[in-house]
Amino acid sequence: GAGVSQSPSNKVTEKGKDVELRCDPISGHTALYWYRQRLGQGLEFLIYFQGNSAPDKSGLPSDRFSAERTGESVSTLTIQRTQQEDSAVYLCATGGQRTDTQYFGPGTRLTVL
Amino acid sequence: RKEVEQDPGPFNVPEGATVAFNCTYSNSASQSFFWYRQDCRKEPKLLMSVYSSGNEDGRFTAQLNRASQYISLLIRDSKLSDSATYLCVVARNTGNQFYFGTGTSLTVIP
Repeated sequence: GAGVSQSPSNKVTEKGKDVELRCDPISGHTALYWYRQRLGQGLEFLIYFQGNSAPDKSGLPSDRFSAERTGESVSTLTIQRTQQEDSAVYLCATGGQRTDTQYFGPGTRLTVL
Repeated sequence: RKEVEQDPGPFNVPEGATVAFNCTYSNSASQSFFWYRQDCRKEPKLLMSVYSSGNEDGRFTAQLNRASQYISLLIRDSKLSDSATYLCVVARNTGNQFYFGTGTSLTVIP
């Protein structure tokens, strides 16, 4: 499709397990953002990629969180040793180099039991 | 101090009413401003960008006041379908980090 896609749409895991979330950007979009949104809360910035530049990781809440992206392709967000407070919707958004707007994917709803 | 602050509401208004939301931002270096709409359990979607001169899109009008560092959104002739959370978003530079407000909840009542 033409939009941002994310997988899985839902993920239920046990505390202590690792999870990997995937984001497929809109073709040609150089900017990619990961956000976390807890139930009833606002969006919390996690990490930002722009082309081949070093990512802005300033929003990652702990060293259990990491993300990768090669060039302008798919990005994966990995959460190691998940905790119950990691339960949230993880949203990916992408944008073009010349645009100052973002287009969001549908999110991955993560539940840590 | 938060980068972006919004009144969370909720705003409950009758159909046909006019409703206004305000948002303040803390960094005077902010350059780009937006309103996003988020429906329940859905992803945010861009409603409109906010330009210095103010801009209008149908029933929606956005204003920016740089001196006071606030942004407003006015919705005229509210429809039931306008019920959603409205997110104020601010960015310092194109392509850089975006700062989201926590959103203002609007419910339009028949």
